[in-house]
Amino acid sequence: QSVLTQPPSASGTPGQRVTVSCFGSSSNIGSNTVNWYQQLPGTAPKLLIYSNDQRPSGVPDRFSGSKSGTSASLAISGLQSEDEADYYCAAWDARLTYVFGTGTKVTVL
Amino acid sequence: QVQLVQSGAEVKKPGASVKVSCKSSGYSFTSSDINWVRLATGQGLEWMGWMNPKSGKTGYARKFQGRVSMTRNTSITTAYMELSSLRSEDTAVYYCATSYGYFDGIAHSLDAFDIWGQGTMVTVSS
Repeated sequence: QSVLTQPPSASGTPGQRVTVSCFGSSSNIGSNTVNWYQQLPGTAPKLLIYSNDQRPSGVPDRFSGSKSGTSASLAISGLQSEDEADYYCAAWDARLTYVFGTGTKVTVL
Repeated sequence: QVQLVQSGAEVKKPGASVKVSCKSSGYSFTSSDINWVRLATGQGLEWMGWMNPKSGKTGYARKFQGRVSMTRNTSITTAYMELSSLRSEDTAVYYCATSYGYFDGIAHSLDAFDIWGQGTMVTVSS
């Protein structure tokens, strides 16, 4: 029962820019920061973006995040084959729960 | 090295309980909450709840209340997640995760999980 909505899939060719959207509500994205996770098959999720637009150490700068109102976006510029993965947005909800998005599978054509 | 190491795969029958462990190392165990997240086949990530290792206080997702228990043993820096009344829909990979936030030589305040366990596969089957 994800409360954050993402498109199920997105794709692009190597070098292209791909964006993934995330729609929430006033109780989660509207009042808290957004995080993004990347999950490669068979591995644990990896924090990609925190506090809407901050990258942890080691995350390439071709990954960027933004937030406006009750929605957020992840952009991958200069798409590479190793970026093929599932991407999830997430945020704390005012009801003191952590909510994930429905997930988006990014395919590199 | 900061890490969370989880216990091995489990196979359980419907109605049984499972207890997954998550051992921390490389940082102060009581400094940040341990969260549990699961990923079922064909589904997305699902947050189950959090536990404060210092106080033992917990908070569970409504879906799991009454069926999940998160505990810890501070002497061995290990957190536990026990799920009872298992059903086939509970078949999933279970992860523990925490907010460590220390990188680039600076402590960052995260509302996110930057350290994850490797995952524990729990299969519920008769």
